[in-house]
Amino acid sequence: NAGVTQTPKFQVLKTGQSMTLQCAQDMNHNSMYWYRQDPGMGLRLIYYSASEGTTDKGEVPNGYNVSRLNKREFSLRLESAAPSQTSVYFCASNILAANTGELFFGEGSRLTVL
Amino acid sequence: AQSVTQLGSHVSVSEGALVLLRCNYSSSVPPYLFWYVQYPNQGLQLLLKYTSAATLVKGINGFEAEFKKSETSFHLTKPSAHMSDAAEYFCAVSEGTGGFKTIFGAGTRLFVKA
Repeated sequence: NAGVTQTPKFQVLKTGQSMTLQCAQDMNHNSMYWYRQDPGMGLRLIYYSASEGTTDKGEVPNGYNVSRLNKREFSLRLESAAPSQTSVYFCASNILAANTGELFFGEGSRLTVL
Repeated sequence: AQSVTQLGSHVSVSEGALVLLRCNYSSSVPPYLFWYVQYPNQGLQLLLKYTSAATLVKGINGFEAEFKKSETSFHLTKPSAHMSDAAEYFCAVSEGTGGFKTIFGAGTRLFVKA
């Protein structure tokens, strides 16, 4: 039972390069999320998708785009990476549209932008 | 707007001692409250959650938390620390129905001394 799978686990980019972080869940969850984790700041929501076909901005959306490809997959794209986007990125999902339930997290993608 | 404050970025206890991790929240509606644990190089996993049922919530690994509305607090406790409890702990709040955004505190790293 894989749960939430993120790829890649590690990536190093140069300033200005682009990349896409992939996320897939096999729990038939409706809602999916992208967070970034920085030391001393906890997790901050970048974008979320309440259900297939919808996406919305979170706290820190600037510099990112997302695509909810289908119910299983939710990708995060950095069009022109900046050093400030060096972080650990977590994808999460949950089943309840009202977000009263537990979030299930992937293992994270560690991104370094030089 | 909802927010979470965790008091103390680092807490150190001896093995067998009481663990107390503090969390205060702000929410304009009755909140849903969560504690998550993160072990090194892993994603977050749920310890326990409060969703307006019993104010004393029991979670996994012997942890529990008490919701105190008058103090806007949701502190995490464990009577006797074990070496395996060393990890980072995050308190989180969600406004539930109609809100898709779970807001996390900055985290508290727990060290357990032998």
